Amino acid sequence: QKEVEQNSGPLSVPEGAIASLNCTYSDRGSQSFFWYRQYSGKSPELIMSIYSNGDKEDGRFTAQLNKASQYVSLLIRDSQPSDSATYLCAVKPTNAGKSTFGDGTTLTVKP
Amino acid sequence: GAGVSQSPSNKVTEKGKDVELRCDPISGHTALYWYRQRLGQGLEFLIYFQGNSAPDKSGLPSDRFSAERTGESVSTLTIQRTQQEDSAVYLCASSFNGAGELFFGEGSRLTVL
Repeated sequence: QKEVEQNSGPLSVPEGAIASLNCTYSDRGSQSFFWYRQYSGKSPELIMSIYSNGDKEDGRFTAQLNKASQYVSLLIRDSQPSDSATYLCAVKPTNAGKSTFGDGTTLTVKP
Repeated sequence: GAGVSQSPSNKVTEKGKDVELRCDPISGHTALYWYRQRLGQGLEFLIYFQGNSAPDKSGLPSDRFSAERTGESVSTLTIQRTQQEDSAVYLCASSFNGAGELFFGEGSRLTVL
């Protein structure tokens, strides 16, 4: 079992729709959770971090965390073609040490 | 500079040669990470520095790979006797005090012929 699992996709949604990206993790000691966006040929960039159960909203993005279910999700509202990218989920067990990444979900937003 | 700087951005080398990749983190970031990303694949952890010590080297694939860091500054990743399977983008990231929010450089694309 991989430490961090994501649906590889591709996920395709029409412009203006809600895109839902999911991630599960195996280490119950994980404390910090991150979503990164990676455009084709570019390096990852941080878009959201979440540390406690519940929802965290930032503009069109909402991260959701459920530690009991070991589940993290990212919702993108009013999806735009510019949101087309690979979204990487990352999990970190403590305040020090490495983040482990999922393989990413590729999202395509069709005009 | 404002962001993480990596050099070279592209490196083509022949099998068996040694290569050195450089990373200059964001000023004030004590933690520095090296990841590898093969074409179409996810990020593979290589090594993590806190200051100039490396608490976690578990991702280095073989003894051909080594890394060092000078203080809380520049890091170099060295690959000796390169093999074709070493071809990948090598990404460096830094974070403030290992908090987990990573800021990536643009990567060094290595091609081994």
